[in-house]
Parts: sequence; structure tokens; C-alpha cells
Amino acid sequence: EAQVTQNPRYLITVTGKKLTVTCSQNMNHEYMSWYRQDPGLGLRQIYYSMNVEVTDKGDVPEGYKVSRKEKRNFPLILESPSPNQTSLYFCASSLFPNPPPYEQYFGPGTRLTVT
Amino acid sequence: KNEVEQSPQNLTAQEGEFITINCSYSVGISALHWLQQHPGGGIVSLFMLSSGKKKHGRLIATINIQEKHSSLHITASHPRDSAVYICAVQYNTDKLIFGTGTRLQVFP
Repeated sequence: EAQVTQNPRYLITVTGKKLTVTCSQNMNHEYMSWYRQDPGLGLRQIYYSMNVEVTDKGDVPEGYKVSRKEKRNFPLILESPSPNQTSLYFCASSLFPNPPPYEQYFGPGTRLTVT
Repeated sequence: KNEVEQSPQNLTAQEGEFITINCSYSVGISALHWLQQHPGGGIVSLFMLSSGKKKHGRLIATINIQEKHSSLHITASHPRDSAVYICAVQYNTDKLIFGTGTRLQVFP
């Protein structure tokens, strides 16, 4: 089954304790992206990757890191989480042919609480 | 001001009613997406369109490129249609710009 998986689904942590949210897709997609969703603000892009070893900042990259060592995996790293990073996080992937549009496949979401 | 505006923000309906959700955007786009977010949080893609109209079951999506406007219609609404519906636009890149969503509740 074609899918995007994220782990963990729920996480409560404390300020400053490094964490990683994993994302994996089994569709051989080139493009992967991380979003955060906050009430009243909609989904906002954190980082994206167009292929292995190619990553770039989205609209709200501060406080986050990513890596793309393999095509299927795109982990989101919070080196020193803070309470303002409490949010619902989504990983997404899509094929990257030219021209657009590309259907986006979303993971199930990770609800992160930083106290 | 968000580049993508949805209306209404909240919508309640009785089972069987015809539902319309609107999306307006400010500049030319390459495609528009309609997404559904279930109460549990998961997001699924409903439609991706760049012109005209698409239909899938009881759902219909239309787009008017000249007016920079799209609508999502649900015919014969059902309580299982209760969800947040999100409009997102795509320019000539991979990036999506999202609206803030329309929360729909359909009562039996």
C-alpha cells in the first residue's frame, strides 16, 4: 500500500531535549516536505527536499533541521525544542515530474507538545 | 492577508443538504488542491485541478481561472463528510500555499 508514515504519532517532551520525528514513504517520490499546522494559521512549510542530499528552507525553518540521506526517509530534527514548537506536524511527499501539478501524499501527523 | 482565502470558516448542515465551500486566491496558479482533514488529523487529497471541473462520487470541484476562484460542492451530505476541508494553491514550483480550512459538521 502506497503510504507516508511518521513516528511517533504523539510526543510530549521538555524544553531543550533533542528529538527526531521520522518520515518514510514507499512510493519512490523525489519531493518530500514537512509542515506544521497551528490553529488559525493553516499548514506552513518548514523544510522541503527535491531529492537525496537536496534540502531547502520553507516558510518557518527556525529551530528545525532536516536531512535526506536516502530517497525514502526525511527526518525532522528539533535540536533544542521550545514551547512555541508545540504543534501538529505533517510530512508529505509527491512525484516531481515537470510540469506541475503534483498530488501530495500526507503522513498521519505527529502531535508534539513541548513543556 | 492570506494568499488563499476560504469561506465559510465554519459550516453546519443537516444530512442531505447541498454544501458549497469557496476558495479565492490572489495571483495566477498552476494548480489548486482540495484536501480533507479527518477529525483524527489525517489529511487526504480530494482533488487536484488546473481548469474546469472534476467529480468524484458526491464531491465536485470547480475552478474559474479568470476569477481566481474555486468551489468544492458536496451533494447529499452525510455525517461522515464532517471534516475540515482545506484549499491549497500551487505555483510553478512544488510549494503549496494553504488556506486555513473550513470546518464542516453534518448532523443526522
